[in-house]
Amino acid sequence: DAGVTQSPTHLIKTRGQQVTLRCSPKSGHDTVSWYQQALGQGPQFIFQYYEEEERQRGNFPDRFSGHQFPNYSSELNVNALLLGDSALYLCASSLEWGQETQYFGPGTRLLVL
Amino acid sequence: QKEVEQDPGPLSVPEGAIVSLNCTYSNSAFQYFMWYRQYSRKGPELLMYTYSSGNKEDGRFTAQVDKSSKYISLFIRDSQPSDSATYLCAMSVTGGGNKLTFGTGTQLKVEL
Repeated sequence: DAGVTQSPTHLIKTRGQQVTLRCSPKSGHDTVSWYQQALGQGPQFIFQYYEEEERQRGNFPDRFSGHQFPNYSSELNVNALLLGDSALYLCASSLEWGQETQYFGPGTRLLVL
Repeated sequence: QKEVEQDPGPLSVPEGAIVSLNCTYSNSAFQYFMWYRQYSRKGPELLMYTYSSGNKEDGRFTAQVDKSSKYISLFIRDSQPSDSATYLCAMSVTGGGNKLTFGTGTQLKVEL
């Protein structure tokens, strides 16, 4: 049973560019959440998708946007990249909306130069 | 003040020791409490999940929740070098969807 998968594993961008990160949830899971983890910090909630809609959003600017597809996979888009966007971006999935138990992918490490 | 506080460590213990990891929180609405283990450059792995107050045991791991004190703990018995990792506590509110609020993580090193 495949767990949560994310691509790419690593990415280097320059300031002002745009980036798209991808996530496939654990088999049978329909809810996807995205988190940003800066070095030495705990993950910070960005937003959450269920039934192809954004259901909750954390304290992140509109430069961060997302999408969920009918097969439950998801994308995270970040526009106008800043140096401070350098972090590990984690995707987590859960069995259904409201299910607190979340399973994380390995993350995408983004470096903005 | 952060909603969830966690001592970042690092914490170094000898193999076989009992490890105690702790978090405090300020939001009394938190009802679900989790502990994740994160190895270097990997995603967090769910270790323990507890609802409301009480204890839960799974092998060498015991999670405790004291809602009256807004304090949660994770105990690791007979610690092994393979337990060396960062341990993150996480919490969520009832009916809050899936939003998890994390502590900063405690870095643990178990030495031979």
